[in-house]
Amino acid sequence: GAGVSQTPSNKVTEKGKYVELRCDPISGHTALYWYRQSLGQGPEFLIYFQGTGAADDSGLPNDRFFAVRPEGSVSTLKIQRTERGDSAVYLCASSGRMGGRTGELFFGEGSRLTVL
Amino acid sequence: SQQGEEDPQALSIQEGENATMNCSYKTSINNLQWYRQNSGRGLVHLILIRSNEREKHSGRLRVTLDTSKKSSSLLITASRAADTASYFCATDVNGNKLVFGAGTILRVKS
Repeated sequence: GAGVSQTPSNKVTEKGKYVELRCDPISGHTALYWYRQSLGQGPEFLIYFQGTGAADDSGLPNDRFFAVRPEGSVSTLKIQRTERGDSAVYLCASSGRMGGRTGELFFGEGSRLTVL
Repeated sequence: SQQGEEDPQALSIQEGENATMNCSYKTSINNLQWYRQNSGRGLVHLILIRSNEREKHSGRLRVTLDTSKKSSSLLITASRAADTASYFCATDVNGNKLVFGAGTILRVKS
């Protein structure tokens, strides 16, 4: 597809369960970002991949959160032992690089996670 | 942490009027970007202004950047009902990510 694709669009789970959220970026984009957004707030940075490696994971809130991008394209955000406070919309974005600067980000429609 | 802070938090105007939103930030930046979001889902990039630029135009959008005051403004001229959305400024501080503000909710009444 032409845009960033995220699945599932909605996920309802119970407290304590494990969740995986998938992001398929725009073909050829080497940079991939995960953000999460709570109601009424701006997106909060989680992690940035350049190729296969996590170049900046300073936004991951704790060790229950982990993300991978094994082949430099599709990425999976993994959340273990989910808590109610993890409920949010998880946004993925991709970008070409701009000489070491962060250029225009192309966002997916997000995965809305609800932890009961 | 939020680097950018938008002002006002909410803005309601009549169709045809201009809408101005402001953004302040705290540290030196590489560039500043504005995004729009409908219905709390994906964000759409509107415009990017580099730290060495002072003003930029794109259609009905005008963005200014004042690095001495660490502030930016987004002006939407001749607003339309379809401009109703949340608008976010975002700053590139270290080339690794954009840091977003909390956003301005714009409502354009027809």
